[in-house]
Amino acid sequence: EVQLVESGGGLVQPGGSLRLSCAASGVTFSSYAMNWVRQAPGKGLEWVSTISGSGGTTFYADSVKGRFTISRDNSKSTLYLQMNSLSAEDTAVYYCARAPTVTTSFHYCGQGTLVTVSS
Amino acid sequence: QSVLTQPPSASGTPGQRVTISCSGSSSNIGSNYVYWYQQLPGTAPKLLIYKSNQRPSGVPDRFSGSKSGTSASLAISGLRSEDEADYYCAAWDDSLSGVVFGGGTKLTVL
Repeated sequence: EVQLVESGGGLVQPGGSLRLSCAASGVTFSSYAMNWVRQAPGKGLEWVSTISGSGGTTFYADSVKGRFTISRDNSKSTLYLQMNSLSAEDTAVYYCARAPTVTTSFHYCGQGTLVTVSS
Repeated sequence: QSVLTQPPSASGTPGQRVTISCSGSSSNIGSNYVYWYQQLPGTAPKLLIYKSNQRPSGVPDRFSGSKSGTSASLAISGLRSEDEADYYCAAWDDSLSGVVFGGGTKLTVL
């Protein structure tokens, strides 16, 4: 059974940084593209970033480009999201999600981790 | 403002058939597959439809998806109280090089 478990969320001050992790199990991790998708409180879903199975291809939403970096360690079956220069607009539940390819939406996501940016 | 356009709300009575629309453009729905998600209150989104009209195993056949041109629809037949949730459409956008979502439709079962 596929399982994606996010961690690393919490309270951070504006301008600060945070690194999210997503541990995958029950799946051949390197075979899948991985996404980060977020949902601000009371709002809809927003795609954040995608990385290919090998890690060689990445895409970012304009809202996070230059501030966030997606990466993966296939030897550890773990996905990461390094978030810098955080602002209140980044406050959201961040979901780690598995997709068949980089140009498709996700098929499965974890339960999410809450990131709150506030002073 | 979401790239894909969905009605903010929809409703129906138990047993009824309801449809939720999703409108896009040639760079997303017009040239790529559409995905539909169900999000129950306080839970993570769950895939309902992939590749525009395919159901993952475990999703009841009461849920069906279709696509025509730059629009797509999710149909739910035999509406049940447990179908009350938020529904989102999504697609890859070739111009933006990313996944775009609809703003979501809140379905109420009266």
